[in-house]
Amino acid sequence: GQNIDQPTEMTATEGAIVQINCTYQTSGFNGLFWYQQHAGEAPTFLSYNVLDGLEEKGRFSSFLSRSKGYSYLLLKELQMKDSASYLCAVRPDNTDKLIFGTGTRLQVFP
Amino acid sequence: DTAVSQTPKYLVTQMGNDKSIKCEQNLGHDTMYWYKQDSKKFLKIMFSYNNKELIINETVPNRFSPKSPDKAHLNLHINSLELGDSAVYFCASSPMLERPMGNEQFFGPGTRLTVL
Repeated sequence: GQNIDQPTEMTATEGAIVQINCTYQTSGFNGLFWYQQHAGEAPTFLSYNVLDGLEEKGRFSSFLSRSKGYSYLLLKELQMKDSASYLCAVRPDNTDKLIFGTGTRLQVFP
Repeated sequence: DTAVSQTPKYLVTQMGNDKSIKCEQNLGHDTMYWYKQDSKKFLKIMFSYNNKELIINETVPNRFSPKSPDKAHLNLHINSLELGDSAVYFCASSPMLERPMGNEQFFGPGTRLTVL
């Protein structure tokens, strides 16, 4: 089966750093994606990891360890507008099918 | 300059009716998808088409029938609507890139379907 786990909710303070973890157990692995989804809106792409290590993109970084079936999304210098759901998704095979986790709802407080 | 568009944005209908949702992308992508997001915000793939050909067909009741008249359009027709079909349906598209590139998916704004 396919299983992707993320914490349901997290809270943080403006200006802080937050790390959102994702663990996965899938039939195969061909890449991991992070998407951001604001309430009532469409998911938007944040990052992609296929090799082990850290990918940095401005205030957002994503890390992958394939041997541990583990990824995290790191958000630095949090802003109020970062309040959203963050979805971890794995591509288990060579198609473009994505298996999504249930998402982590992040609330940023002033 | 909308990239992926869906119509309608909201759809309220009675149980047993048949309805369609339309999706169009102007990004020149080869692959299009339909996802269902339920009330718990769980996003699950339903179908994927590549150049009008069905590629992915998850375990979805056959009341749901996708149709791709050309590679820029992917419509979803639902027969005999049930209460459990109430959800937000997202269309998405992605380019065909060689692995290991990301092939990120671009999502439409969603169609909120409510079945009464």
